[in-house]
This record gives sequence, C-alpha cells and structure tokens, in this order.
Amino acid sequence: NAGVTQTPKFQVLKTGQSMTLQCAQDMNHNSMYWYRQDPGMGLRLIYYSASEGTTDKGEVPNGYNVSRLNKREFSLRLESAAPSQTSVYFCASSEAGGQGSDTQYFGPGTRLTVL
Amino acid sequence: EDQVTQSPEALRLQEGESSSLNCSYTVSGLRGLFWYRQDPGKGPEFLFTLYSAGEEKEKERLKATLTKKESFLHITAPKPEDSATYLCAVQARGSNYKLTFGKGTLLTVNP
Repeated sequence: NAGVTQTPKFQVLKTGQSMTLQCAQDMNHNSMYWYRQDPGMGLRLIYYSASEGTTDKGEVPNGYNVSRLNKREFSLRLESAAPSQTSVYFCASSEAGGQGSDTQYFGPGTRLTVL
Repeated sequence: EDQVTQSPEALRLQEGESSSLNCSYTVSGLRGLFWYRQDPGKGPEFLFTLYSAGEEKEKERLKATLTKKESFLHITAPKPEDSATYLCAVQARGSNYKLTFGKGTLLTVNP
C-alpha cells in the first residue's frame, strides 16, 4: 500500500495563477484533510471531508476550495494564488466513524512557493 | 477553543542523555491525544495515541504518558537518529475527528 500520496511535490506559482493540489489514499479511509504548515505556526487545518460527498471548512479556509472526487481522492484548489499561500501543504486521511479516537495518516507534502 | 502548547521549542541532547518533551492541552472533552514524529522535508509519522489519564505507551526508546492536563514524551538514551520534530495533537469529542496541533519540539541528538 502506498498510503497517502500527493502531487506535485514542488510547485512555484506567480501571484494570481491557479493550481490544484492532488491527494489520494489507498487505505479505504472515510475522512480526508488538508493542512498547511508554516514556520512557527504548526499544522493548521484548511478543509476536511468527513465522508465521501461532504466537505467542511477548517481553521484557515480563505483562498482555497476543495473537491472530494470520490472516496480515494481529495483535491485542494487555489483559484488566485497569493504570496501568503506560500507554505507546505499536507493531505491526511483517517478511518473515522465508531466510538474511539481516530488516527490521521499524512502524505509527504507539497512545497508551494508563490512569487 | 482547543489549545495545545509544546515545550521546549527546541532541545539539544548528547547521545545517551535522557529527557522529556511536554505537551500541555485544553480541550472540551478529550477523545485522544496523538504524538507524531516529523523528519525534515517529510510528512508527520504517527507514533502513539493516548486516550485517558494514567495511560502509557512505549516504542523503542520512546514512552508517552498522559495526565488530565498534559502529556510527556520521554526519550531514554537517545540516538542521533531520534533527531526530528515531535508534534502533539488533541482530538476533541464531537469534533468530527479533527486534530488541533501544537507547534512542535525540535529535538537534536548529537553523537
């Protein structure tokens, strides 16, 4: 199993350009998440999808949109990139459901620079 | 609002010098507390989940403990390969399984 995969690994954009970050998981997980990680800020949740067909805002959703394409895939779109969106983006997935807690498993990240 | 504070921000140890990392939290009903390890340029790697005060879990040189207000990650006789950033996160009941992360502790173990 590959776990959680993300493409691309690196990307450089100019201000105002758009792009889509792709994420896929092969663990048959129900929930998927997008985070950004900035120096000194820790991991912050952008959007999440608790189950196929649903999406919800996290802590820092402004400037982003998401699509849960199917159970495996969850994409993050920047419609008009800004320098403030320069960051490392991580996708995660978890089984979710049930009474217990729920472990999230992370992908390798996409390093995005907006000039 | 759920909050997680990790200390120290950075810790430098000599190989074999044991120490502990701290994670203090406030949460409206704890579902689970998670520890992750993150190497430079990589995604976080899951280490432990703790569910209730008094619980302990061990893996090689690492042991995680939990109280009602904080968690400790004890590192016994560390090796240089234990160098990484260690992240703590909490999951609250009714949060739709969302995690709130601390900013991490950067551990460096010198040979």
